[in-house]
Amino acid sequence: GQNIDQPTEMTATEGAIVQINCTYQTSGFNGLFWYQQHAGEAPTFLSYNVLDGLEEKGRFSSFLSRSKGYSYLLLKELQMKDSASYLCAVTDSNYQLIWGAGTKLIIKP
Amino acid sequence: GAVVSQHPSRVICKSGTSVKIECRSLDFQATTMFWYRQFPKKSLMLMATSNEGSKATYEQGVEKDKFLINHASLTLSTLTVTSAHPEDSSFYICSATKGVTEAFFGQGTRLTVV
Repeated sequence: GQNIDQPTEMTATEGAIVQINCTYQTSGFNGLFWYQQHAGEAPTFLSYNVLDGLEEKGRFSSFLSRSKGYSYLLLKELQMKDSASYLCAVTDSNYQLIWGAGTKLIIKP
Repeated sequence: GAVVSQHPSRVICKSGTSVKIECRSLDFQATTMFWYRQFPKKSLMLMATSNEGSKATYEQGVEKDKFLINHASLTLSTLTVTSAHPEDSSFYICSATKGVTEAFFGQGTRLTVV
């Protein structure tokens, strides 16, 4: 079956760095997405990786290793507004999005 | 970035009535739109894939007669929850794909059935 694993919850301190991991086992691979979702709102797009390596976008970076079925989202200089759920999603061989359950990130002052 | 507009953002309806939710891609043509449902503190659950001009493909366990999906044009898909019941209360989100690299989400619709 298809499976995406990410931690349920993480806690970090304002101003620090946090890494949210995602491992996946899917039927084929056509890209991995990271989304941010605040409570009661729709997800917003953060990043897309289809090749191995690190993609940096401001305070957020996303890394992919296809051979390991592994990705991480790195958040630097954490701000209180970064408290949200972070969703990892993989596009399989049929271009269907398979979603992880999300990681709830709690930022403490 | 591309914009997907979903309407209404919140709706309260009586049990037994039907509710229509619209999803529009405002500045691009979306050949495929997806409808998701999300329960509190849970991940997004794909309900159906909607392709313009053809019947929607429903995920296992989703009642196609209860959740009617129409994708009449390249910029509009609608989800109608028919004969709504309190257990249908949920957050419904649509997304539209632009190419294969990004899925843009609507704002979501909070449905409450009383």
